Amino acid sequence: QVQLQESGPGLVKPSETLSLTCSVSGGSVNSGSYHWNWIRQPPGKGLEWIGYIYYSGDTKYNPSLKSRVTISVDKSKNQFSLRLSSVTAADTAVYYCARGRRYDYWGQGTLVTVSS
Amino acid sequence: EIVLTQSPGTLSLSPGERATLSCRASQSVSGNYLAWYQQKPGQAPRLLIYGASSRATGIPDNFSGSGSGTDFTLTISRLEPEDFAVYYCQQYGSSSTFGQGTKVEIK
Repeated sequence: QVQLQESGPGLVKPSETLSLTCSVSGGSVNSGSYHWNWIRQPPGKGLEWIGYIYYSGDTKYNPSLKSRVTISVDKSKNQFSLRLSSVTAADTAVYYCARGRRYDYWGQGTLVTVSS
Repeated sequence: EIVLTQSPGTLSLSPGERATLSCRASQSVSGNYLAWYQQKPGQAPRLLIYGASSRATGIPDNFSGSGSGTDFTLTISRLEPEDFAVYYCQQYGSSSTFGQGTKVEIK
């Protein structure tokens, strides 16, 4: 059974960089031709895809966030990570990691609040 | 970017009734790569349907998906108490985008 778990600071100051990690168990980020995604959901609102990293290392990002987003992978730790720079209050959200192009496995989500 | 518009925004129904949710795309969804998710409060979304009409593992057969091109439908044939939730469509044929969601609430 594949499991994903997000981790990282729950509070980030405006203009700083948000950094989260997704740890994968029961599967490998380095095999299976899977996309490894970050998705977010502001409180009380809908879902927004942030981007993915493919098992090959290729990345693709939401055009609306592309200038601020970096997704990377650490194959030795079976993890992938999100960095979102220059955050504002609008980036306050529950951040999820998920597998695939259709998202068959999700982490439980982690709330990140942007506030001074 | 493909924009997905879900309707209605809220659906008020009683247990045992049939629910029909719509998802319309601003342009044709490549390969009919359209998925549906269910989300309950405080939980991550759960994949219900992929490829417009294929049920995900463990999803009961009272959930069904249909449609192609730009018009897609999720049908819940008989609502169970646990089916009251928010439902999202997602297209993954061209990058990825979500609809804004339909809330199915108890009437």
